[in-house]
Amino acid sequence: GNSVTQMEGPVTLSEEAFLTINCTYTATGYPSLFWYVQYPGEGLQLLLKATKADDKGSNKGFEATYRKETTSFHLEKGSVQVSDSAVYFCALINTGNQFYFGTGTSLTVIP
Amino acid sequence: DGGITQSPKYLFRKEGQNVTLSCEQNLNHDAMYWYRQDPGQGLRLIYYSQIVNDFQKGDIAEGYSVSREKKESFPLTVTSAQKNPTAFYLCASSMNGLAGYSTDTQYFGPGTRLTVL
Repeated sequence: GNSVTQMEGPVTLSEEAFLTINCTYTATGYPSLFWYVQYPGEGLQLLLKATKADDKGSNKGFEATYRKETTSFHLEKGSVQVSDSAVYFCALINTGNQFYFGTGTSLTVIP
Repeated sequence: DGGITQSPKYLFRKEGQNVTLSCEQNLNHDAMYWYRQDPGQGLRLIYYSQIVNDFQKGDIAEGYSVSREKKESFPLTVTSAQKNPTAFYLCASSMNGLAGYSTDTQYFGPGTRLTVL
C-alpha cells in the first residue's frame, strides 16, 4: 500500500540554524512527492514537489530530493527564520488520484 | 485570482443541528476533497469527488454527507449523527479526477473551524 512517515515533532530551532525534517514513504509504482506548510489557523500551502526520482524540489530556501533508493524526501533549509515556524506535512500521490499525508511536524524557530 | 474559498471561517453549531460548510473553486479542477484536522493531528479524508455527480467515502465518512452538483462546488454537511464534530475542516482540489495522474497536485482552501456548543 501507500503511506508516508515523517519525523515526530515538535522541533525547536534557533534562528539561522539548519533544518532537516525526515520523510520516508511506501508506494508502488512512481508516486509524486510533496511538502506542504500550514501556518496557524490556515489551510495547507504547497511548498515544493518532485515528480520523479532524483528530482529536487525547491522554494523559499527549502529543498527536498526524491530518493527512490532510500524511499525518502527529506526537507532541508540552510538557515531558518522565525517566520518559518509552522507545521510541515509530507505527502505523496500515486495512480488513482489518492493523496497520502504524513502526520505533520511542528517547527518553532526562536530568535 | 484563481483559488479555493471556504465559508464561513468560523462556525458554531448547537448539538443536534446539521450544518453545511461551503467549498468553491475556480481552478476548473475535476477532483475535490474534504479533510478533517483535529488539534495536533494530521489530515483525515472524509469524502472525495473525482467528477460531477459522483463522490466516494473516505476514511471517516460516518456522520457527514456531500453533494457535487456543479464542478466548482463541493459542500459538506455535518449531520447530528457526527458525535464529535468540533474540528478544523479543509477542502482541497486537484486538476485530474478519473484520469488519476500521479503527477497531480492538491491545493487547499483556508479552512473552516467548526465548534459545537
